[in-house]
Amino acid sequence: NAGVTQTPKFQVLKTGQSMTLQCAQDMNHEYMSWYRQDPGMGLRLIHYSVGAGITDQGEVPNGYNVSRSTTEDFPLRLLSAAPSQTSVYFCASTPGGNNYGYTFGSGTRLTVV
Amino acid sequence: DAKTTQPPSMDCAEGRAANLPCNHSTISGNEYVYWYRQIHSQGPQYIIHGLKNNETNEMASLIITEDRKSSTLILPHATLRDTAVYYCIVRVGGGGSNYKLTFGKGTLLTVNP
Repeated sequence: NAGVTQTPKFQVLKTGQSMTLQCAQDMNHEYMSWYRQDPGMGLRLIHYSVGAGITDQGEVPNGYNVSRSTTEDFPLRLLSAAPSQTSVYFCASTPGGNNYGYTFGSGTRLTVV
Repeated sequence: DAKTTQPPSMDCAEGRAANLPCNHSTISGNEYVYWYRQIHSQGPQYIIHGLKNNETNEMASLIITEDRKSSTLILPHATLRDTAVYYCIVRVGGGGSNYKLTFGKGTLLTVNP
């Protein structure tokens, strides 16, 4: 049981490049989310999914796309990276209901130059 | 979701109890209080949550006032490894988009030797 696995852990992109941040969980959780965290700030929600095939926007969705084809995977795509997307990205999942919290991954540190 | 107010920082001596306060004066009857913590550079970690009753688990205790307008997270015997940013989050119960978490800036707890 690995929990929530994020890859890569570190990435440097040039402005305009695209890439996909991977997130996988092996706990059969229905709900998954992507957050970004900028220095000195709390986490902000980018996109979330309430189940396979269902996604929705969070607080800061611009510049990011997501899809949820399986319960296990929830990739985050940067279509054309910008320096403003330099941040630490966290993926999280929860089984649902009112008795559980979210399990977070260890994060992807992205720098856009 | 109700807004929360936490002190930006607190200190605690190692071995003593750490009491972290949170105000959520606009909380609604169906909103839960969740606590997470984030140790430097790591993903947030779920600690505990409650609706109106006090709760205890292996990590901490949560005390919610009778009017539910404030709560206190108690770490009974703080260690150096408890140094982290602690987030108090209020979330509506139920499914769908209610699973979104809104993070504030939290309280930086520093446990001193």
